[in-house]
Amino acid sequence: KQEVTQIPAALSVPEGENLVLNCSFTDSAIYNLQWFRQDPGKGLTSLLLIQSSQREQTSGRLNASLDKSSGRSTLYIAASQPGDSATYLCAVRLLMDTGRRALTFGSGTRLQVQP
Amino acid sequence: AAGVIQSPRHLIKEKRETATLKCYPIPRHDTVYWYQQGPGQDPQFLISFYEKMQSDKGSIPDRFSAQQFSDYHSELNMSSLELGDSALYFCASSLPTGSPLHFGNGTRLTVT
Repeated sequence: KQEVTQIPAALSVPEGENLVLNCSFTDSAIYNLQWFRQDPGKGLTSLLLIQSSQREQTSGRLNASLDKSSGRSTLYIAASQPGDSATYLCAVRLLMDTGRRALTFGSGTRLQVQP
Repeated sequence: AAGVIQSPRHLIKEKRETATLKCYPIPRHDTVYWYQQGPGQDPQFLISFYEKMQSDKGSIPDRFSAQQFSDYHSELNMSSLELGDSALYFCASSLPTGSPLHFGNGTRLTVT
């Protein structure tokens, strides 16, 4: 059974810092990995999707890397802003016969960026 | 751009009542997923549909059922509600395999 772990569980940084969020998964036979952002009581906003054949994806100040062999992904946020404060979730999709297996989520990292 | 639409946004029910949650996926998305997120917890997969057929089943209780209709919208039916069913229920949709999942804003169900 795939298990997804995110470290740290919570993080508080001053505005302007670069930061790294970590995600690890136990089953390396993944199809892809997706990073989401969730504001309190709200839905999940997709940030980046990395296919299993890719090593990284970038969108603006965000960069996500994937090392499938070691079961790790990192989300790098450059020049953090108070508006980045949210919970960040990583989710993996297993490589299954159906190819449509749903995502397994980590517990998230709760980020607070202090102005 | 069109997003995943869920209704209602909030729902309050009493124990043992029934509830129906609706989801309208992004146009042309052929796969719909339902997730349950309890307070302070990560989303847990319940069930998914591909082209109106059940595709995968997660931790969905027997008291719950779901279906996808000809117009691709989906409904999650919940019966004999329990206090522990209070949660945010998310619907997500995607194109075929490998595409990102796009989530709706969720339905907050409170069972009293």
